[in-house]
Amino acid sequence: DVKVTQSSRYLVKRTGEKVFLECVQDMDHENMFWYRQDPGLGLRLIYFSYDVKMKEKGDIPEGYSVSREKKERFSLILESASTNQTSMYLCASWRGTGGPPSQHFGDGTRLSIL
Amino acid sequence: GNSVTQTEGPVTLSEEAFLTINCTYTATGYPSLFWYVQYPGEGLQLLLKATKADDKGSNKGFEATYRKETTSFHLEKGSVQVSDSAVYFCALTYTNAGKSTFGDGTTLTVKP
Repeated sequence: DVKVTQSSRYLVKRTGEKVFLECVQDMDHENMFWYRQDPGLGLRLIYFSYDVKMKEKGDIPEGYSVSREKKERFSLILESASTNQTSMYLCASWRGTGGPPSQHFGDGTRLSIL
Repeated sequence: GNSVTQTEGPVTLSEEAFLTINCTYTATGYPSLFWYVQYPGEGLQLLLKATKADDKGSNKGFEATYRKETTSFHLEKGSVQVSDSAVYFCALTYTNAGKSTFGDGTTLTVKP
């Protein structure tokens, strides 16, 4: 089974801090994604990556950046955290070839910015 | 752009009731369609999928059929259980990239 692991389940940070959310997948998937989930808004795509060192903006990239130095790891960075970035963050990887397509999610990081 | 609209929740049912959660989409081309389920405190899990028109996805008693003519992918289950209480998301995905568009989610509560 594919495993997508997010480094923290719960995180509390202060306004203005630089915050790193880490995600690791163990199935050699090329595509990885970061979403945020807010009540009534579903999942919104922040950034995604097709390969190492490649990244593309999603629908709501403002205030975020990403890093993909190794294929298995995709990091989300909040450059200067603000209270409106309090949310649930979900990482996912995508199996597009080698079998039926499917997206695999981590358990999420619930981030609170005080 | 692409969009997914699903039944607005919350939906509350009694155990053994019939479940329908509607999902309609707007998209160009031929996306694949997915239903995901999210249990409390967890990430999303794939429930079922369909990759082309008229395909039926099924899993754990849930079913959905890809209807291109009505741009729909409604989720159904004949007899729900308390353990089916969760949030359900409909999504469309272009499988070359995996980039997905999700509905807002439907919270289902099943009472004994």
